[in-house]
Amino acid sequence: NAGVTQTPKFRVLKTGQSMTLLCAQDMNHEYMYWYRQDPGMGLRLIHYSVGEGTTAKGEVPDGYNVSRLKKQNFLLGLESAAPSQTSVYFCASSYEAGEKAQYFGPGTRLTVL
Amino acid sequence: DAKTTQPPSMDCAEGRAANLPCNHSTISGNEYVYWYRQIHSQGPQYIIHGLKNNETNEMASLVITEDRKSSTLILPHATLRDTAVYYCIVRVRVGNDMRFGAGTRLTVKP
Repeated sequence: NAGVTQTPKFRVLKTGQSMTLLCAQDMNHEYMYWYRQDPGMGLRLIHYSVGEGTTAKGEVPDGYNVSRLKKQNFLLGLESAAPSQTSVYFCASSYEAGEKAQYFGPGTRLTVL
Repeated sequence: DAKTTQPPSMDCAEGRAANLPCNHSTISGNEYVYWYRQIHSQGPQYIIHGLKNNETNEMASLVITEDRKSSTLILPHATLRDTAVYYCIVRVRVGNDMRFGAGTRLTVKP
């Protein structure tokens, strides 16, 4: 199993550009999450999904959109990137939202100039 | 979810046990204690979790006090590769996210 993979690993954008980050998992997990991590800080939840076709807002959803068209994929979109969105983005998945642990991808480092 | 308090940093000698404390004095009865770690810039890695009883797996042991107001993560024989930031998280069973704080930066020294 590859686990949780993220594409791309690095990206540099100019202010106002758009992009989509892809997260894929091969563990048949129902739940998927997008977090961001800023320097010296813990992770903050952006959006999450409890199943195919569903999404919900997390702690810091503004400026981001998500889609979960297939169970194994969770997309994070930035429609008009801002320098404040410079961060490392982590995707995670879990079998269910009970006591099961979340498993994280390697991260995408995004810089917005 | 209850708030957790961890020391910002700790050192440990290679080969010795690393004991990482976490205070969660406002924990409620249905909240689990989770431990994750993050090595350098990698994604967080799940270590262990528990509710009341002490737990052990191939990576670590988790000791939870009887009143559940604090816990300790034990790495029995720390290696240099265990140098990382360790996060203690308290979360209800049906919660939808992990609230990561600042964690403890553990440095294992030769």
